[in-house]
Amino acid sequence: GAVVSQHPSWVICKSGTSVKIECRSLDFQATTMFWYRQFPKQSLMLMATSNEGSKATYEQGVEKDKFLINHASLTLSTLTVTSAHPEDSSFYICSATDRTDTGELFFGEGSRLTVL
Amino acid sequence: QQPVQSPQAVILREGEDAVINCSSSKALYSVHWYRQKHGEAPVFLMILLKGGEQKGHEKISASFNEKKQQSSLYLTASQLSYSGTYFCGTEMRGTSYGKLTFGQGTILTVHP
Repeated sequence: GAVVSQHPSWVICKSGTSVKIECRSLDFQATTMFWYRQFPKQSLMLMATSNEGSKATYEQGVEKDKFLINHASLTLSTLTVTSAHPEDSSFYICSATDRTDTGELFFGEGSRLTVL
Repeated sequence: QQPVQSPQAVILREGEDAVINCSSSKALYSVHWYRQKHGEAPVFLMILLKGGEQKGHEKISASFNEKKQQSSLYLTASQLSYSGTYFCGTEMRGTSYGKLTFGQGTILTVHP
């Protein structure tokens, strides 16, 4: 089956620094990927839709200058949390679909960010 | 708009059954069901694409009532491994392919 991989699986950084998270589709091409954020004991909240070769589409309330998304190739999307603060600490998960008839969406393993 | 799941939490003993419901205020293209264990990414259970569709494997099945814009997940003869938080993810008509909006989750706890 299709596989989506995220890296790193966890990261700890100091307040004010930037962190990059990668999301790769390993055995299929994904023109669209999605980035979610999940705070403890809460649901997954969609942050943005990452479009290959064009600008990402952000959900209402998500700061596009803070959460930079780049989808430079058909297999890689990156999320950069700029000038991270403790309130950005969360579980970030990406997803992608290989657009087969099953309609299944494949999730990465998730990246846990802790900002000190 | 976020779908509404009910109940918020369920406590079962091994072997008991449970039903988790997911309702949307908007027309749905598909409903996806996931289970998430603490600290892990969600694990795909199944997707329902057509109104009236029912699916299942082993003792977990689901139905999708397109007209009522709701889906139900059925867990029968529950096992300890079923414990976790269950999320429905809805894909609405007219949105990006694969764009899901998740419900708030239902915490399922199975005791021996």
